[in-house]
Amino acid sequence: KNEVEQSPQNLTAQEGEFITINCSYSVGISALHWLQQHPGGGIVSLFMLSSGKKKHGRLIATINIQEKHSSLHITASHPRDSAVYICAATNTNAGKSTFGDGTTLTVKP
Amino acid sequence: EPEVTQTPSHQVTQMGQEVILRCVPISNHLYFYWYRQILGQKVEFLVSFYNNEISEKSEIFDDQFSVERPDGSNFTLKIRSTKLEDSAMYFCASSGLLDRTNEKLFFGSGTQLSVL
Repeated sequence: KNEVEQSPQNLTAQEGEFITINCSYSVGISALHWLQQHPGGGIVSLFMLSSGKKKHGRLIATINIQEKHSSLHITASHPRDSAVYICAATNTNAGKSTFGDGTTLTVKP
Repeated sequence: EPEVTQTPSHQVTQMGQEVILRCVPISNHLYFYWYRQILGQKVEFLVSFYNNEISEKSEIFDDQFSVERPDGSNFTLKIRSTKLEDSAMYFCASSGLLDRTNEKLFFGSGTQLSVL
């Protein structure tokens, strides 16, 4: 069993739909990252969470430390949101991260 | 916006050769990382570095790997004797604040290493 599990593995949506990607982890963490990896391979950090909820534009990330679960939501999805979304659980004291397999999101116009 | 720079973007080498992957982190950042991603697989942590020493390393980071911050700006990953299975995209990242619970990671664009 992976220490960080994401679901779904693949997700196809129509433009404008509300998207939810889930991440469950079994390791002890101090923080959880949500990352976006574009088709060209580049990685962008979207959020780093240690508790509660963060919002940036159309993106919202939540974390429940007790349940060891985090979600990434995209409101009013757009084709440019098409990418692989990755969660990574981090031991902040040393910076070691365990990555999920990623969720491939395709948003169709 | 400041960015993490990695060179070269592509590196082809023969098995058994030494390679050095170079990274220039964001200038005021304190923490530095190397990750790798084998084609079609997930990203894997290799090593974290703070205050001129390794903070933590993964099982992948064996004696063939080393990291160095030689001059206060560059952060390098050396693979002493490359193996076929070292072929991967290698990402460098950095982060800034002492309180890492509120700090994002900034990634470089990666070096694609191909070992023949």
